[in-house]
Amino acid sequence: QVQLVQFGAEVKKPGASVKLSCKTSGYTFSSNAISWVRQAPGQESEWMGWIDPNTGDTNYAQKLQGRITMTTETSTSTVYMELRSLRSDDTAMYYCARRRCSGTCYSGASLDYWGQGTLVTVSS
Amino acid sequence: QSVLTQPPSVSAAPGQEVTISCSGGSSNIGNNFVSWYQHLPGTAPKLLIYDNNKRPSGIPDRFSGSKSGTSATLAITGLQTGDEADYYCGTWDTSLSAYVFGTGTKVTVL
Repeated sequence: QVQLVQFGAEVKKPGASVKLSCKTSGYTFSSNAISWVRQAPGQESEWMGWIDPNTGDTNYAQKLQGRITMTTETSTSTVYMELRSLRSDDTAMYYCARRRCSGTCYSGASLDYWGQGTLVTVSS
Repeated sequence: QSVLTQPPSVSAAPGQEVTISCSGGSSNIGNNFVSWYQHLPGTAPKLLIYDNNKRPSGIPDRFSGSKSGTSATLAITGLQTGDEADYYCGTWDTSLSAYVFGTGTKVTVL
């Protein structure tokens, strides 16, 4: 069965960086892009971007450009998301999710399997 | 601030039906497929509906989706206590070049 596994929690100071992992299993790693979505307390879900493990192509949310990097490690079927120059408003639960495509992978995108999330707290 | 608007909450008694609306525009719902997600706090979100009205395997037919113009609707029939959760719509926004989520709706079973 498809699984996306994320671990625990991170506490970081403002200005620091965090690198989160998402270990996938149960399907062919290169077949689906992995997206990152975050939800701050009491706020709406925010799409951060996605990475295609097959090509390495990335598509980041405009507001995070310059602060975010997504990478993959094919040998372990793991996707990483690094966010730099952390601020207090980056405090959120961070989820990875597998993208499925119907037709095009933009107009036909949905997120069919999700990880449990990693809580990131940014505080001095 | 989300480009997809949902009612903050809906409620009904067990066995009844609730509908959740998701209102957008031509750059998102109007020209792209809509998905719906269920999120119970502390758990991984779950895909309920994709491509406007399709259910992944394992999702009961009590959940159904529809789309008309720039709005989409999720209907839950035969409401159960286990359906108490937050529900979000999602779709690609061509103008923003981003996947966008709705503001979220909390379903309460009375």
